[in-house]
Amino acid sequence: GAVVSQHPSWVICKSGTSVKIECRSLDFQATTMFWYRQFPKQSLMLMATSNEGSKATYEQGVEKDKFLINHASLTLSTLTVTSAHPEDSSFYICSASRPGLAGGSSYNEQFFGPGTRLTVL
Amino acid sequence: AQSVTQPDIHITVSEGASLELRCNYSYGATPYLFWYVQSPGQGLQLLLKYFSGDTLVQGIKGFEAEFKRSQSSFNLRKPSVHWSDAAEYFCAVGKGAQKLVFGQGTRLTINP
Repeated sequence: GAVVSQHPSWVICKSGTSVKIECRSLDFQATTMFWYRQFPKQSLMLMATSNEGSKATYEQGVEKDKFLINHASLTLSTLTVTSAHPEDSSFYICSASRPGLAGGSSYNEQFFGPGTRLTVL
Repeated sequence: AQSVTQPDIHITVSEGASLELRCNYSYGATPYLFWYVQSPGQGLQLLLKYFSGDTLVQGIKGFEAEFKRSQSSFNLRKPSVHWSDAAEYFCAVGKGAQKLVFGQGTRLTINP
């Protein structure tokens, strides 16, 4: 259980166009979804946290008008890169979390999608 | 501020040799600790996690990790590596509903 999918797995687009990436939790309802960005040979950087039906919370330095996040249901979140430019080329990974217990305390365990490779020409 | 340091960017070991990947963290309290593995072009797979209790944690694929509070470390070990273990390994910390903070990653190469 706890499978997270992303679509598309890779996308190439022209500069100035918008690209939408979907993240789905296939067999559980996700209370929270996270979007990460990963540059080549680097770590994952959290972009934003989204809760179903609420506005996403963006990390410092992430342009909310450029990276639009919609969390329409407990199983689907979308990231739209608007007016994409070559510097937006990256590997985007989402995770979906569900509550769990760890030593008697609440804990949101994250399950990661396979990632989406975006290349902007 | 919360931070995770993986001192080794790249490690090469021979197949069958033992492995230890280092992870040090800075956190206000004892956090939840995680090790993830990422194969090329793939998402992250959880190897193991530590919340509390026994400081030696067993994970999948024959990996284990030991939490040492005095050293703020959570090193990953495997007694005998296989060629399929070649990947990127990330240590991460978090607590409760808070977000995860990842280390820089350690790339593992296996020599035949």
